[in-house]
Amino acid sequence: DTAVSQTPKYLVTQMGNDKSIKCEQNLGHDTMYWYKQDSKKFLKIMFSYNNKELIINETVPNRFSPKSPDKAHLNLHINSLELGDSAVYFCASRGQDRRGGYTFGSGTRLTVV
Amino acid sequence: QQPVQSPQAVILREGEDAVINCSSSKALYSVHWYRQKHGEAPVFLMILLKGGEQKGHEKISASFNEKKQQSSLYLTASQLSYSGTYFCGTLNNNDMRFGAGTRLTVKP
Repeated sequence: DTAVSQTPKYLVTQMGNDKSIKCEQNLGHDTMYWYKQDSKKFLKIMFSYNNKELIINETVPNRFSPKSPDKAHLNLHINSLELGDSAVYFCASRGQDRRGGYTFGSGTRLTVV
Repeated sequence: QQPVQSPQAVILREGEDAVINCSSSKALYSVHWYRQKHGEAPVFLMILLKGGEQKGHEKISASFNEKKQQSSLYLTASQLSYSGTYFCGTLNNNDMRFGAGTRLTVKP
């Protein structure tokens, strides 16, 4: 029943490791996003995909690579993790109804030690 | 460029009212409002698409002044459940920019 699901919910890893976060939505939405929320709660757009096509690619380190195998999935792979990557990462989706809002996943709390 | 929210934080007693403002230096075509409770994901409250539009959700309502490029969220007779961080978002071509958030605390 979960509309936008992210895994894992928590991720603790050492500097230098590579990790992935998965996101899936069952809402039939065309557009999916990755946002990073820092310790001050600021929500910053990272990437956006529309029907598997990258449409927004903000200035993030190229260690971050999104992948969308189909329009229901948007995964985030992070190489060579750094301390500053510690944050909560939210996946979100939105449909074509212009009166609709974003539906967020429950978030992945990434801690790099 | 992200919108500017004010105030940064507000503390209320149950039953009191509050206003949260959101303004942009760019033309606004639509404004979203979200609430995020501690440890949870942001939840969509409402969207305003036209200047002059007003919407309501429970006892929470919002207005959108297109000419002034600003929107306000009104929380009336606040309840404990209203506590959380409120974000406005401005949407332009599938690119949503959020304000820094307003932390609202409602005390008994």
